[in-house]
Amino acid sequence: AQSVSQHNHHVILSEAASLELGCNYSYGGTVNLFWYVQYPGQHLQLLLKYFSGDPLVKGIKGFEAEFIKSKFSFNLRKPSVQWSDTAEYFCAVNNNDMRFGAGTRLTVKP
Amino acid sequence: EAQVTQNPRYLITVTGKKLTVTCSQNMNHEYMSWYRQDPGLGLRQIYYSMNVEVTDKGDVPEGYKVSRKEKRNFPLILESPSPNQTSLYFCASRERRGNGYTFGSGTRLTVV
Repeated sequence: AQSVSQHNHHVILSEAASLELGCNYSYGGTVNLFWYVQYPGQHLQLLLKYFSGDPLVKGIKGFEAEFIKSKFSFNLRKPSVQWSDTAEYFCAVNNNDMRFGAGTRLTVKP
Repeated sequence: EAQVTQNPRYLITVTGKKLTVTCSQNMNHEYMSWYRQDPGLGLRQIYYSMNVEVTDKGDVPEGYKVSRKEKRNFPLILESPSPNQTSLYFCASRERRGNGYTFGSGTRLTVV
């Protein structure tokens, strides 16, 4: 079955620590890949997206993600997190239509 | 301002009482979709629409109906709500198939 897997349910980091959130998908063929962020009490906002070309994608707020086709992965990274990055992060894959992973809750301690 | 507008933001209702959650977008987008968000399950797609009068089931369509009579509107209808439909609902729209979605602010529904 087609699926999107986010391996980390809850990640807790201190400010200035580096972040990597895993995302794997099981779709075949061409896909478009996305990371969304949901701050507490708010709706989802697009962080970054990959359609084609350079597999290293830079998004807003210092986030980036790397598409590794051979591993069916699209991991999200940030070199140095801030308290304001506390949120839930969702990986999404667009094939016929968009499907989301279960989300990773990130807590950044000041 | 380009946006997706959902109403109401909060709704408490009783089992079996029909309700409609409205969704409207002002971006002339082709695609619209409804998702429900539940803890630990992420977002699951209920229905989506590729254009006026074209709708299709997502992963969890049971107990829901939709219609797309106009391009801008995509209401979600619960004919006979049940407590297991208590959830946070998001409407979203996008310009074309490969693009990311723009989300509405969400509707928190409680069915008692």
